[in-house]
Amino acid sequence: AQKITQTQPGMFVQEKEAVTLDCTYDTSDQSYGLFWYKQPSSGEMIFLIYQGSYDEQNATEGRYSLNFQKARKSANLVISASQLGDSAMYFCAMREGEGGTYKYIFGTGTRLKVLA
Amino acid sequence: ETGVTQTPRHLVMGMTNKKSLKCEQHLGHNAMYWYKQSAKKPLELMFVYSLEERVENNSVPSRFSPECPNSSHLFLHLHTLQPEDSALYLCASSQDVGASGTGGDTQYFGPGTRLTVL
Repeated sequence: AQKITQTQPGMFVQEKEAVTLDCTYDTSDQSYGLFWYKQPSSGEMIFLIYQGSYDEQNATEGRYSLNFQKARKSANLVISASQLGDSAMYFCAMREGEGGTYKYIFGTGTRLKVLA
Repeated sequence: ETGVTQTPRHLVMGMTNKKSLKCEQHLGHNAMYWYKQSAKKPLELMFVYSLEERVENNSVPSRFSPECPNSSHLFLHLHTLQPEDSALYLCASSQDVGASGTGGDTQYFGPGTRLTVL
């Protein structure tokens, strides 16, 4: 079974609108971390936002927020007021494991295109 | 230099060559990582080093050999590669590995090395 599932291979959004990128995860660990990264066409992965499994509030970083629904095991990324520069691949990732042994697992990504 | 740097940015090699990829982080982090990114596949974690000790090895073929001489430098030595090893190789660093609940293992990536094996 996929540990990280991103069901949207591609998304379009109009400039200045908000967009939600979906991510569901699968783990039996109580302690884990969830990350979102952006990868522009240049190739570099850029960290956007982090949510710890024990964090009670949804993480926010500027125009990015993470809609964390623990019972549903979902960690959707919301980008508000989209900009043309937001066009990129977006990856959801999870860190699981405890006691010194950790795994970092990435999803297959969602390609976002912002339209002018 | 700031952040995480990788050299070379592009590499073309034959199957019998030996080459090395270099990664350097200027963030004062304790952990470094190698990932492989192939087309249409999720990012694959290859190796993790924490304080210069390998803490994770995800069944990577022995033709890939990592080296971490200090917490700022990470190498990936390549020999007798196969065409299917052609990919983008990304290096990352984080403050720590698996810092539960604190985000201390948020990874910061370099620009990658685009490797082509002929």
